[in-house]
Amino acid sequence: NAGVTQTPKFRILKIGQSMTLQCTQDMNHNYMYWYRQDPGMGLKLIYYSVGAGITDKGEVPNGYNVSRSTTEDFPLRLELAAPSQTSVYFCASSYSAGLQPQHFGDGTRLSIL
Amino acid sequence: KQEVTQIPAALSVPEGENLVLNCSFTDSAIYNLQWFRQDPGKGLTSLLLIQSSQREQTSGRLNASLDKSSGRSTLYIAASQPGDSATYLCAVDNAGNMLTFGGGTRLMVKP
Repeated sequence: NAGVTQTPKFRILKIGQSMTLQCTQDMNHNYMYWYRQDPGMGLKLIYYSVGAGITDKGEVPNGYNVSRSTTEDFPLRLELAAPSQTSVYFCASSYSAGLQPQHFGDGTRLSIL
Repeated sequence: KQEVTQIPAALSVPEGENLVLNCSFTDSAIYNLQWFRQDPGKGLTSLLLIQSSQREQTSGRLNASLDKSSGRSTLYIAASQPGDSATYLCAVDNAGNMLTFGGGTRLMVKP
């Protein structure tokens, strides 16, 4: 039972570098999400997707991009890393809208120096 | 804009105590409210999901209530154990699976 898998678990980037955070789920869920969690805070939604080929912005989308070419994968792209993007990033998925809980990966800890 | 607040931010209790965690939200037009558990360095685990038409949900020693009109939810943990030590997060769904999270309550249960 893999569930939601995120890679890498940890990463240090220099300011201005780019990287892609990977997320894959094996539960055939239509809905996928990216959140960030800053120290001592709750999670904030960055982007979400309701199915392959469909993505939309959440509360804090600036500085990030996403794509959803398959049901299983939902990568998050940082183009020009900034110190304000230092955070823990969580990917989640769910089967239906509003009726089922979201399932979370273990997160990617990202530091921008 | 929905705002979710959790009080207290941290709580320390001796083993065996019954305890209540509080969650309040500003917009009562919700689809559901969810309680999650987060262990250090880990992702979130769903504990209970209460639909907007429901008043409470129970799972083992956990009971969550929802009062939409007052914008409040409580998570009751009976007979607390050291293994219950974690951060508990409340999240409100306003638009069909778009969650707004509270800041969490960090719980420590002492043996």
